[in-house]
Amino acid sequence: QVPLVQSGADVKKPGASVKVSCKASGYTFTRYDVTWVRQATGQGLEWMGWMNPNTGNTGYAQKFQGRVTMTRNTSISTAYMELSSLRSEDTAVYYCARLNKYNRNCDIWGQGTMVTVSS
Amino acid sequence: DIQMTQSPSSLSASVGDRVTITCRASQNITNYLNWYQQKPGKAPKLLIYAASSLQNGVPSRFSGSGSGTHFTLTISSLQPEDFATYYCQQSYSPLLTFGGGIKVEIK
Repeated sequence: QVPLVQSGADVKKPGASVKVSCKASGYTFTRYDVTWVRQATGQGLEWMGWMNPNTGNTGYAQKFQGRVTMTRNTSISTAYMELSSLRSEDTAVYYCARLNKYNRNCDIWGQGTMVTVSS
Repeated sequence: DIQMTQSPSSLSASVGDRVTITCRASQNITNYLNWYQQKPGKAPKLLIYAASSLQNGVPSRFSGSGSGTHFTLTISSLQPEDFATYYCQQSYSPLLTFGGGIKVEIK
């Protein structure tokens, strides 16, 4: 059983929004924060934000404030990351990861979702 | 935000070499420092947490040290499967940040 399974690749036009899902299994979804990290081709890891699935509280990187929304559906143990006003620079692989509650490291990762922004 | 700087940006090494990678934080993060390994086309994998604790299942040739603003990841004897990119990440602040990564390539 894979702990974090993400939705499939997506292609969007500039200005649109994308919503990526991350389904958790094998652990209690509401006990661990979920974080989102993206990686453009050939580039490094870029942290986007975190969400507490129990409370819905979030914390976003300043770069994405106003454009990113992280939500969840606890009944199906799924976290979501929605990014709006897409531009070509948002083309990247988007990862979800579980945050260890003690050290806040990313101890389990999803497989990644490729989002392409192209007209 | 806390900035994380890794150096060098890449390095070439041979199988069996001892390799040390450096990560610096822009402010004191005590020991809230984690290391990840990433291979092409794969998600990152946690190697070291809390600066020096080895994640379950990670070979003992990997070790981490440091505190405050200066941290190192050491591979005692580089193996073929260790050629990858390595990232540090601070978790002192609720707003997490990653270093730029260091690619370890075959000499």
